[in-house]
Amino acid sequence: AQTVTQSQPEMSVQEAETVTLSCTYDTSESDYYLFWYKQPPSRQMILVIRQEAYKQQNATENRFSVNFQKAAKSFSLKISDSQLGDAAMYFCAYELTGNQFYFGTGTSLTVIP
Amino acid sequence: NAGVTQTPKFQVLKTGQSMTLQCAQDMNHEYMSWYRQDPGMGLRLIHYSVGAGITDQGEVPNGYNVSRSTTEDFPLRLLSAAPSQTSVYFCASTSVSSYNSPLHFGNGTRLTVT
Repeated sequence: AQTVTQSQPEMSVQEAETVTLSCTYDTSESDYYLFWYKQPPSRQMILVIRQEAYKQQNATENRFSVNFQKAAKSFSLKISDSQLGDAAMYFCAYELTGNQFYFGTGTSLTVIP
Repeated sequence: NAGVTQTPKFQVLKTGQSMTLQCAQDMNHEYMSWYRQDPGMGLRLIHYSVGAGITDQGEVPNGYNVSRSTTEDFPLRLLSAAPSQTSVYFCASTSVSSYNSPLHFGNGTRLTVT
């Protein structure tokens, strides 16, 4: 079975500090893509960052970066210099060939001023 | 540049009523899908389509029907609404021909069945 586990239902971080959201997944495939989506209170699903499984280099997008450990099937998201606008639900997901997407249950991030 | 458009944003139904959630995309994406989002359960796939005339079931298809007569539109039909279908529904699309293309989501529909 294809599964995505986000073991932290809730996290909090002080404004300007760094926080890491964890994600593990289970697949027997070797070729896949990984994503983090952000869902603010507006309910909109926003792509934060993506990672190709065949690339060893970790993806970065401004203050967002990932720590991809393929052997451990781990894909954590690091948010640096946290801002109030980062408060949201964050979903980890991966895509197999054939556009099969699998989502985790989400981590609710609170940013404390 | 509309992207994925879902209507309505909110809907209240009584048990047994039927309705259709509309979804349209203007990005010429072959793949379209419907998810439901429930607290603590993430997003679960209801139905998906890889092109006009082609649909398939996802993880939780019972109680829902879909059709894909055009590339742009992918409506979701609830034939006889039940309280268990109270949820937030998302339509999403992506390009099949471009691997690593992320899902593009609509803004969601909050459905309440009483």
